[in-house]
Amino acid sequence: DGGITQSPKYLFRKEGQNVTLSCEQNLNHDAMYWYRQDPGQGLRLIYYSQIVNDFQKGDIAEGYSVSREKKESFPLTVTSAQKNPTAFYLCASTHNRGSYGYTFGSGTRLTVV
Amino acid sequence: GENVEQHPSTLSVQEGDSAVIKCTYSDSASNYFPWYKQELGKGPQLIIDIRSNVGEKKDQRIAVTLNKTAKHFSLHITETQPEDSAVYFCAASIGNRDDKIIFGKGTRLHILP
Repeated sequence: DGGITQSPKYLFRKEGQNVTLSCEQNLNHDAMYWYRQDPGQGLRLIYYSQIVNDFQKGDIAEGYSVSREKKESFPLTVTSAQKNPTAFYLCASTHNRGSYGYTFGSGTRLTVV
Repeated sequence: GENVEQHPSTLSVQEGDSAVIKCTYSDSASNYFPWYKQELGKGPQLIIDIRSNVGEKKDQRIAVTLNKTAKHFSLHITETQPEDSAVYFCAASIGNRDDKIIFGKGTRLHILP
């Protein structure tokens, strides 16, 4: 079955360490997105990519980095520069054209101690 | 910039009653309006969407209405059931692009026994 997979589901890291969250999709979607979700804050866009080897900053890109070397994969690195990294991170994907809506992964809960 | 406002932030309804969630958007060029349901610890799932050339769309117990003139759209859930308890997000496309949408802040719906 086609879908979008985020791993791991839970991640614990020490303060000051970089950590990379994985997002893989086999839906042949062109565009991929990373969102951060905090209680009461809704979904805030971190980065998005509409084509391989290209990506754009979203509303809260500071302290994060991404790469899009393959159509299927869009990993997110939370760097030590991110002041408050503990959150629920969601990856999504969609076609660039057509009313398909976004497909979301099941999320990664990152806790920095 | 583009904005989507969603109300209420929390809604409690008796099982069997109807629930209505309302959203307004700012970009008059928006033409795609999806709704997502997020259960605890999971990623959001698309439950229904509507395009600007349609005023209403229905799928079993859920329906969405759109008033382009007023830039309002609403989600209606009839005969609510316990499994309807979740957080619901509305969204609107940025311009006429399906691959760029902006989310409301979410409504936490509680179905009371």
